[in-house]
Amino acid sequence: QVQLQESGPGPVKPSQTLSLTCTVSGGSISSGSYYWSWIRQPAGKGLEWIGRIYPSGSTNYNLSLKSRVTISVDTSKNQFSLKVSSVTAADTAVYYCARSYYDFWSGYDYFDCWGQGTLVTVSS
Amino acid sequence: QSVLTQPPSASGTPGQRVTISCSGSSSNIASNTVNWYQQLPGTAPKVLIYSNSQRPSGVPDRFSGSKSGTSASLAISGLQSEDEADYYCAAWDDSLNGQVFGTGTKVTVL
Repeated sequence: QVQLQESGPGPVKPSQTLSLTCTVSGGSISSGSYYWSWIRQPAGKGLEWIGRIYPSGSTNYNLSLKSRVTISVDTSKNQFSLKVSSVTAADTAVYYCARSYYDFWSGYDYFDCWGQGTLVTVSS
Repeated sequence: QSVLTQPPSASGTPGQRVTISCSGSSSNIASNTVNWYQQLPGTAPKVLIYSNSQRPSGVPDRFSGSKSGTSASLAISGLQSEDEADYYCAAWDDSLNGQVFGTGTKVTVL
């Protein structure tokens, strides 16, 4: 059973860079047919997809965040990471890492495994 | 802002049928499969329906999904108290080249 766990340094000050890591256990991050995503949710609000990475390093980003976001993968550590630069209070949210199962021929592309989420607060 | 539109709330008494709509466009719902996620209070979302109408193992068959054109819907038949949660639709958007979520619907069991 694959499990995902987010980790990060804690509160972030405005204008600084938010950094989170997702550690994958119970399976290899290099397994085919899976993308690895970051999703966030401000308190009391809906879900916002941030971006995703394939084990090869290929990425897709939410266009509204693309200029500030970098997602990377470290297959040797079975981890992938998120960096969001120049943060403001609007970036305060619960951040989830998630795995999506993808199959071009069947059209499957859905999040089948989620981390528990980690609250990141941006405050001076 | 969310690209997929859902009603903010829905409710019913135990045993009733509740339907949640998800309205999108030609670049997302009409072109790609729709998935539905259930988020119980204080927990991470979990997939309820994938590929428009498929249920993962372990999801009760009282949950069903459908899609037509630029809209999709989730139906909960035989509503139970444990179904109180937030529900989100999602799909890939070819124009944005990214995943988009619905605005979310809070289901209340009266």
